Amino acid sequence: GQNIDQPTEMTATEGAIVQINCTYQTSGFNGLFWYQQHAGEAPTFLSYNVLDGLEEKGRFSSFLSRSKGYSYLLLKELQMKDSASYLCAVRDSNYQLIWGAGTKLIIKP
Amino acid sequence: ETGVTQTPRHLVMGMTNKKSLKCEQHLGHNAMYWYKQSAKKPLELMFVYNFKEQTENNSVPSRFSPECPNSSHLFLHLHTLQPEDSALYLCASSQSDGTGGYEQYFGPGTRLTVT
Repeated sequence: GQNIDQPTEMTATEGAIVQINCTYQTSGFNGLFWYQQHAGEAPTFLSYNVLDGLEEKGRFSSFLSRSKGYSYLLLKELQMKDSASYLCAVRDSNYQLIWGAGTKLIIKP
Repeated sequence: ETGVTQTPRHLVMGMTNKKSLKCEQHLGHNAMYWYKQSAKKPLELMFVYNFKEQTENNSVPSRFSPECPNSSHLFLHLHTLQPEDSALYLCASSQSDGTGGYEQYFGPGTRLTVT
């Protein structure tokens, strides 16, 4: 079967750095997405990786290793507004998105 | 209106009721999606429409019936639902090039409670 694994919950301190990991086992691979979802709101797109390596976008970076079936989202200079759930999704060989259950990130002052 | 809008935002219905959820996208996209989101579970893709044609139906019970009259509007018709259908129903849209599309833009969702 197809599976996306991410930690259920993480806690970090304001101003620090946090890394949210995502591992996947899917039938084929056609890209990996990260979304942010604040409580009670819609998921919003953060990043897309299809080739190995690091994609940087401001305070957020996303890394992909296709051979290891692994990605991470790196958040720097954490702010209280970064408290949210972070969803990892992989597009499989049928170009269908397979979603992880999300990682709830709690930022403490 | 901008982005993806959904109405109603909250809905409480009995198991014998019939109701419809509405989604509208103002982004010029050609693909639209219905998802179910339950607490602590992955997003479940229910239906996909590309260029108004339904291309995915992931074994969704027949008590959920989608309708896509044009590329900007998507409906989810509900009837004789079960309490386990209580969840957040999210609509999304994207630009599709025939290979699954680019990033999806989500609406705020409809919080559905079945009593």
